[in-house]
Amino acid sequence: DAGVIQSPRHEVTEMGQEVTLRCKPISGHDYLFWYRQTMMRGLELLIYFNNNVPIDDSGMPEDRFSAKMPNASFSTLKIQPSEPRDSAVYFCASSQAGRSYEQYFGPGTRLTVT
Amino acid sequence: SQQGEEDPQALSIQEGENATMNCSYKTSINNLQWYRQNSGRGLVHLILIRSNEREKHSGRLRVTLDTSKKSSSLLITASRAADTASYFCATDTGGGNKLTFGTGTQLKVEL
Repeated sequence: DAGVIQSPRHEVTEMGQEVTLRCKPISGHDYLFWYRQTMMRGLELLIYFNNNVPIDDSGMPEDRFSAKMPNASFSTLKIQPSEPRDSAVYFCASSQAGRSYEQYFGPGTRLTVT
Repeated sequence: SQQGEEDPQALSIQEGENATMNCSYKTSINNLQWYRQNSGRGLVHLILIRSNEREKHSGRLRVTLDTSKKSSSLLITASRAADTASYFCATDTGGGNKLTFGTGTQLKVEL
């Protein structure tokens, strides 16, 4: 298996622009998680899905952030409009219910908003 | 606020020495997991210990859990330079495979 795939790996954009991050979970996994990691705040859970349905989005910082999972093999995290304080590494992870709750992380997308 | 707080924040040891990292958490858990993150990479699962277990081993890793003190420790024996990474504890408080990650310990193993 290729593992969790994220794209792009690096994104540099200007303040006010729309940013879309993409994730392909491991085939057969029914949970998908989006995290944000910064030096100041550590690793924060933004939102997670079970069987493509959003379960908990309480970590989404504000309305500028939205996430979708149109099917079992694809999810997006969108920031519109982006701000410099959104600069961070965004991770996608997936896991399988009943399989020891271990999460598999993607390589992350490093976002820089100037 | 973070469910898990690791200490120390940073640890530097010589190759061959043992490294011990501690994690404290606040609420009841179903299980506790430890993850490793190499610089510039995603997190990798190391080991899981359930709330009814007190100790678990995996290779050079030993994890203990004290639910009465709401704390866990990760011991890496005979450390290697390749063990240099950040280590995070993560707690599962029940429901939906959701984890809450701690603040992490940065381990540096020097030759």
